[in-house]
Amino acid sequence: AQTVTQSQPEMSVQEAETVTLSCTYDTSESDYYLFWYKQPPSRQMILVIRQEAYKQQNATENRFSVNFQKAAKSFSLKISDSQLGDAAMYFCAYRLPSSNTGKLIFGQGTTLQVKP
Amino acid sequence: NAGVTQTPKFQVLKTGQSMTLQCAQDMNHEYMSWYRQDPGMGLRLIHYSVGAGITDQGEVPNGYNVSRSTTEDFPLRLLSAAPSQTSVYFCASSPDGRRGYGYTFGSGTRLTVV
Repeated sequence: AQTVTQSQPEMSVQEAETVTLSCTYDTSESDYYLFWYKQPPSRQMILVIRQEAYKQQNATENRFSVNFQKAAKSFSLKISDSQLGDAAMYFCAYRLPSSNTGKLIFGQGTTLQVKP
Repeated sequence: NAGVTQTPKFQVLKTGQSMTLQCAQDMNHEYMSWYRQDPGMGLRLIHYSVGAGITDQGEVPNGYNVSRSTTEDFPLRLLSAAPSQTSVYFCASSPDGRRGYGYTFGSGTRLTVV
């Protein structure tokens, strides 16, 4: 069964600095999608970044980038130049394209605190 | 604004009561789903639908029913509320269930069963 693990329940970073959130997953599939979602105190789930497993190039969205290590089954999120608005819970998620359930499998989440 | 609309945002139920959580999207997405979020467990899939008239169970379906009579609407029914159903519920949609599109989430419903 596919699982997603976020081993850091909480992280903190100084404003303007860089932080990396860890995510590992377990799968026997070769084709899949990985996501990072942000959940601020408003509770809204916001898609931060998306990675396709067959692409070797790491995805980047402005200050957010990933380090995708397919062999190690690792998918970490790097936030550069951290801002106070980045404070939120971050979820890593995995999705199989071949399954019609469209099911997203989520990790337990990492709460990020940004210190001014 | 286009997106996924969930109502209500908050609800308190007594054990044994029934209710329906509403979800509507205006993006013509074929795929819709319901998740529940519990502390330390991430989000877990309750039910999903790949199109109007088609629904199926997810990971934690017991105690919940769904129907999909239109593309836009996907209500979640709690048949007889139990304290174990205290949770935050999210509706999410995607253009389809197969390719790697991200989901658009509603703003969630915080449900407390006493």
